Amino acid sequence: QVQLVESGGGVVQPGRSLRLSCAASGFTFNRNGMHWVRQAPGKGLEWVAAISYDETRKYYADSVKGRFTISRDNSKNTLYLQMNSLRAEDTAVYYCAKDPGFWSGHFDYWGQGTLVTVSS
Amino acid sequence: EIVLTQSPGTLSLSPGERATLSCRASESVSRSYLAWYQQKPGQAPRLLIYGASSRATGIPDRFSGSGSGTDFTLTISRLEPEDFAFYYCQQYDRSPYTFGQGTKLEIK
Repeated sequence: QVQLVESGGGVVQPGRSLRLSCAASGFTFNRNGMHWVRQAPGKGLEWVAAISYDETRKYYADSVKGRFTISRDNSKNTLYLQMNSLRAEDTAVYYCAKDPGFWSGHFDYWGQGTLVTVSS
Repeated sequence: EIVLTQSPGTLSLSPGERATLSCRASESVSRSYLAWYQQKPGQAPRLLIYGASSRATGIPDRFSGSGSGTDFTLTISRLEPEDFAFYYCQQYDRSPYTFGQGTKLEIK
């Protein structure tokens, strides 16, 4: 069965960096696009970033462009999100989500999320 | 970017009733690239509908999606107790892949 397990969240000061990881299993990781979606406390869902199965395409929300970098290691079945210059408004649960195909833009499986809190 | 507006914000119904949730896009969503997700408190979202009307794997047939262009609907034919949750629509026609603000379906 498909499993996505995020890690790396925590409390970080504004302006600092954090790297999230998502360990994938139960499917052929190198055949699917992957995404990060976040949810601020008590708020709705916000798509953050996406990466194609072969890393040739990467897209970002305007709110994180230039600060966040999505990447993947297909040999380790792992997705990453490098978050730099963190702001208070980046506080959220970050979900790793699987694209059902090479690239469709919707999400058929989600991890349980990892909480990132940006606070001094 | 495509803005999605969901209505109503909160829907209060009883088990056994029919629920109709709306999602309106600020511009046409081509190829019906519209999905619906259900989220319960403390849980990750779950895919219900993709392609505006195709049910995801394991989703009961009381859930159905319809619509095209700018107007989409999620219908739950007969509400079960486990259906009371938040529902989000999402367009994946083009980046950024935006979500609606959500509809809370609560027990009346």
